[in-house]
Amino acid sequence: NAGVTQTPKFRVLKTGQSMTLLCAQDMNHEYMYWYRQDPGMGLRLIHYSVGEGTTAKGEVPDGYNVSRLKKQNFLLGLESAAPSQTSVYFCASSYRGEPHYGYTFGSGTRLTVV
Amino acid sequence: EDQVTQSPEALRLQEGESSSLNCSYTVSGLRGLFWYRQDPGKGPEFLFTLYSAGEEKEKERLKATLTKKESFLHITAPKPEDSATYLCAVQASNAGKSTFGDGTTLTVKP
Repeated sequence: NAGVTQTPKFRVLKTGQSMTLLCAQDMNHEYMYWYRQDPGMGLRLIHYSVGEGTTAKGEVPDGYNVSRLKKQNFLLGLESAAPSQTSVYFCASSYRGEPHYGYTFGSGTRLTVV
Repeated sequence: EDQVTQSPEALRLQEGESSSLNCSYTVSGLRGLFWYRQDPGKGPEFLFTLYSAGEEKEKERLKATLTKKESFLHITAPKPEDSATYLCAVQASNAGKSTFGDGTTLTVKP
C-alpha cells in the first residue's frame, strides 16, 4: 500500500546518545514534515522540506537536524539526546503543500530518552 | 503567528447522542482548514479540507462547517467506533506547512 513508512517504531536512548529516524514515502510528494506529539498536546512542527535538497525550521527545531538527499526520504537526527526529547515523532508528506488531500502521516516513532 | 484552539479537550457521549467539536483559529490568510482523526497509537488520518466561510463537508456521521473564525465538527448519532482524537489544523496562504490544535478526545459509550 502507498503511504509513509517510519523506522524504527520504538527506541530507547540514553541521554547523550545519537540516532536517526527515517521517513520514506512512495507517493512522489514534494513536501515532507517532521512533527512531535507530547501527551495532551497537538502536533508541533520540528522541520520540514519543500523539495529534494531543501529544509526549513519549524516551531521547535532546537536539538534536531534533518536531511532530504532523496525526494522520497526525510531523515531526522538527534545529535545528543535529552530527556525532553522523549516524545512520539510523526513524519508526514503532501503534494506540493496543496490542501486538497491534506497530509499523509506515518504511524509514528515512540522515542524514550532515559 | 497562526493559532488553533480546540474545545472541549475531552467529550464523552452516549451512543446516538449528537454533539459538536469546536476549532477556533487565527491565520494570516486562510489557504485551508483541515480536520484529522487520530486513533490511539496511530498517525492522524485526513478527513476534510475547508477553504472558505460557509463551506460544509460531510463524511458518514461527520459534518464540518467553517466560518471566518471557527470551524465545527458535528457528529450525528455517534457510534463507539467514532471514538478517537480529532485534530484541527490551518494552513496560511503563504505557507507550505500547517499549524495544529491540541485536539479533542471523543469517547462514545455504547
